[in-house]
Amino acid sequence: DQQVKQNSPSLSVQEGRISILNCDYTNSMFDYFLWYKKYPAEGPTFLISISSIKDKNEDGRFTVFLNKSAKHLSLHIVPSQPGDSAVYFCAASLGFGNEKLTFGTGTRLTIIP
Amino acid sequence: EAGVAQSPRYKIIEKRQSVAFWCNPISGHATLYWYQQILGQGPKLLIQFQNNGVVDDSQLPKDRFSAERLKGVDSTLKIQPAKLEDSAVYLCASSFDSPGQYFGPGTRLTVT
Repeated sequence: DQQVKQNSPSLSVQEGRISILNCDYTNSMFDYFLWYKKYPAEGPTFLISISSIKDKNEDGRFTVFLNKSAKHLSLHIVPSQPGDSAVYFCAASLGFGNEKLTFGTGTRLTIIP
Repeated sequence: EAGVAQSPRYKIIEKRQSVAFWCNPISGHATLYWYQQILGQGPKLLIQFQNNGVVDDSQLPKDRFSAERLKGVDSTLKIQPAKLEDSAVYLCASSFDSPGQYFGPGTRLTVT
């Protein structure tokens, strides 16, 4: 049972435009959500997170939105840059973030110059 | 600050052989995790340590996988004997009271 789902395996966006990556989850007990970015032959890098008590968190070009009623979160990147081309993983935790992470299958983002 | 170190980066073995992976977490990070990432999937937690004690090993195939974290710092993950389906990237991560876990570069294991 896939508790965290990323239904788009890939996404292509023009440089300078907005990239929107989506994630759905099924376990209503998840309390903390994180986005990771992964380049080839490297480990995932923590990008941004959001607690279930918030509906938005912003960090520079990256914003994460959480809709608890829909069990949906999204990552917005604006403006998109060529260096943003990577695989993005959504992850969820039952606790503060030091607890076990359940990952989605990832979305490969390609920024077109 | 040095990141999470892992070795080896790549390993090719035949099925039924044994293999071991090593991880050195970020200095001061009390929590250490081992994940398995099969091609096309997200990382899946195998085991979580808090200092040198096991917090969660519910998804560790204990008949063939073992892990230890002596002195609450470095950790080793062992597979014995390996099966074809163990081909994956094995990721080590660590954390200390932060919203995210910090991952190493991973060890890519190929079982033939």
